[in-house]
Amino acid sequence: AQKITQTQPGMFVQEKEAVTLDCTYDTSDPSYGLFWYKQPSSGEMIFLIYQGSYDQQNATEGRYSLNFQKARKSANLVISASQLGDSAMYFCAMRPKTSYDKVIFGPGTSLSVIP
Amino acid sequence: ETGVTQSPTHLIKTRGQQVTLRCSSQSGHNTVSWYQQALGQGPQFIFQYYREEENGRGNFPPRFSGLQFPNYSSELNVNALELDDSALYLCASSFTTTQETQYFGPGTRLLVL
Repeated sequence: AQKITQTQPGMFVQEKEAVTLDCTYDTSDPSYGLFWYKQPSSGEMIFLIYQGSYDQQNATEGRYSLNFQKARKSANLVISASQLGDSAMYFCAMRPKTSYDKVIFGPGTSLSVIP
Repeated sequence: ETGVTQSPTHLIKTRGQQVTLRCSSQSGHNTVSWYQQALGQGPQFIFQYYREEENGRGNFPPRFSGLQFPNYSSELNVNALELDDSALYLCASSFTTTQETQYFGPGTRLLVL
């Protein structure tokens, strides 16, 4: 079965500190893509970062980096220098190549940045 | 380059009614996917349209149907609404079916009473 697990329902971080949001996944597909999306209270799902299963290096996009450990099937998101605007729901998602039409989302982690 | 847009932003219907939600894909994108997001959960894949044909479907009943038009915009139709259909409906577009990243619209919040 293909599944995304996010074990942290809620997280708090001090402004300007770094935070790691956990994500583990389960798939038998040898090829897949992993994503992180941010969803503010307005509802729009904002793409943050992508990691391909065969990528040799961990993905980085500005303050976002993805700590990809393929053997452990984990794809944790690291946000450096947290800002108040980072407060939102964060979803880890997977797109297996054999079912490329769909993206499978995890249950999400609510991040609150404290001034 | 315009992003993904959806209409309406909010909608209230009663049980048994029918609803149509609309989505305009990002410029240059020919693939549209629809997702249902219940309160407090992650989005669930409903179906995908590519070049006006349904290209894949999630675990949703046939009363959820869709269309894609030649300009790649799309509609999601839900018949015989049930209370559990209350959710945020998200549309996402991508350049092709195999492109890795989908870009989402702001969603339509549907409340069924």
